[in-house]
Amino acid sequence: DQQVKQNSPSLSVQEGRISILNCDYTNSMFDYFLWYKKYPAEGPTFLISISSIKDKNEDGRFTVFLNKSAKHLSLHIVPSQPGDSAVYFCAASVSGGSNYKLTFGKGTLLTVNP
Amino acid sequence: DTGVSQDPRHKITKRGQNVTFRCDPISEHNRLYWYRQTLGQGPEFLTYFQNEAQLEKSRLLSDRFSAERPKGSFSTLEIQRTEQGDSAMYLCASSLMDYNYEQYFGPGTRLTVT
Repeated sequence: DQQVKQNSPSLSVQEGRISILNCDYTNSMFDYFLWYKKYPAEGPTFLISISSIKDKNEDGRFTVFLNKSAKHLSLHIVPSQPGDSAVYFCAASVSGGSNYKLTFGKGTLLTVNP
Repeated sequence: DTGVSQDPRHKITKRGQNVTFRCDPISEHNRLYWYRQTLGQGPEFLTYFQNEAQLEKSRLLSDRFSAERPKGSFSTLEIQRTEQGDSAMYLCASSLMDYNYEQYFGPGTRLTVT
């Protein structure tokens, strides 16, 4: 059972435009959400996170939006740059859990074309 | 570089052989995680240490897998009698107890079982 779903395996955008990556979750116990970026042959790199008490968190070009009623979150990258081309993973955690393990989606490959 | 390191980066082994991987977390991080990532999937949780205590193991971790974290510093993951299905990227991550959600990943060990 896939508790975190990224339904778009890939996304292609033009440099300078907005990239929107989507993520849905089914486990209502999840209350902390993270986005990671992964380049080939490297481990995932933490990008941005959001707690369920918020509906938006912004860090530079990256903004994460959370819609708890829809169990949906999205990552917006504005403006997109060719260096943003990577696989993006959505992850979720239960803050009241004892280990804070992350549950990941399958990832979305973002390609930003010059 | 004070990030998470893993050794080796690549391992090719024959079915039935034993392999051992090492992870060195960020020095002040007391929580350490192992994940496994197969092609087209996101990382999946395997096991978790708080200091030297192994507090949770996923059902993905069969009896052939064992992990240790002596003295609460580096960790090792051993796979005995490897099978072709063990071929994957093994990722280690660490985090601070007081700031648990954001886990920092190493570059991973790519295991190929022939």
